[in-house]
Amino acid sequence: ETGVTQTPRHLVMGMTNKKSLKCEQHLGHNAMYWYKQSAKKPLELMFVYNFKEQTENNSVPSRFSPECPNSSHLFLHLHTLQPEDSALYLCASSHRGTGNTIYFGEGSWLTVV
Amino acid sequence: KQEVTQIPAALSVPEGENLVLNCSFTDSAIYNLQWFRQDPGKGLTSLLLIQSSQREQTSGRLNASLDKSSGRSTLYIAASQPGDSATYLCAVYGSGNTGKLIFGQGTTLQVKP
Repeated sequence: ETGVTQTPRHLVMGMTNKKSLKCEQHLGHNAMYWYKQSAKKPLELMFVYNFKEQTENNSVPSRFSPECPNSSHLFLHLHTLQPEDSALYLCASSHRGTGNTIYFGEGSWLTVV
Repeated sequence: KQEVTQIPAALSVPEGENLVLNCSFTDSAIYNLQWFRQDPGKGLTSLLLIQSSQREQTSGRLNASLDKSSGRSTLYIAASQPGDSATYLCAVYGSGNTGKLIFGQGTTLQVKP
């Protein structure tokens, strides 16, 4: 248990569906992140939020829409995804600033059919 | 652009053996470096964080070293056990204050009983 909880753990959705991934951290951190892990590729950063404000968007397609209502919760809204978007989506949190240990959740396995 | 490489991609050793995992990065202007462990189908667990001013960190049977000038880090695992079987990921914090991690592709370790 890392203190970062992601739901659902597994999700299968059609290309026309709308779904959301949820992340909650219980560590008192003020920075939250979405990472994507595809087969055969390194983990790649998608979004960074500091104190609820988005500070980085790593050229992510608009079919992925993040939302951070407060420092403890982070969502990733999914709409009209493609099969190549199938991957493990990992949420993480840390205290703001480089050099603080980052803690990851267990991830949400997404399959787009 | 920072790139992180991990060699070897896969490693199989008998139980009890000491082993070294390698990580190299192209831009030595890093802030910190973190080693993670990932079990199949799971999220990432932080193992060791090395601050840019440090040369090594130790935790139990694990020792991580950092040589910024040569762009290298190693993770040393002493007296390996079957429970150490997992994928080990190296990640560096880039410049700036975004908390952005750049990951290698990982080394998958199998420790045979």
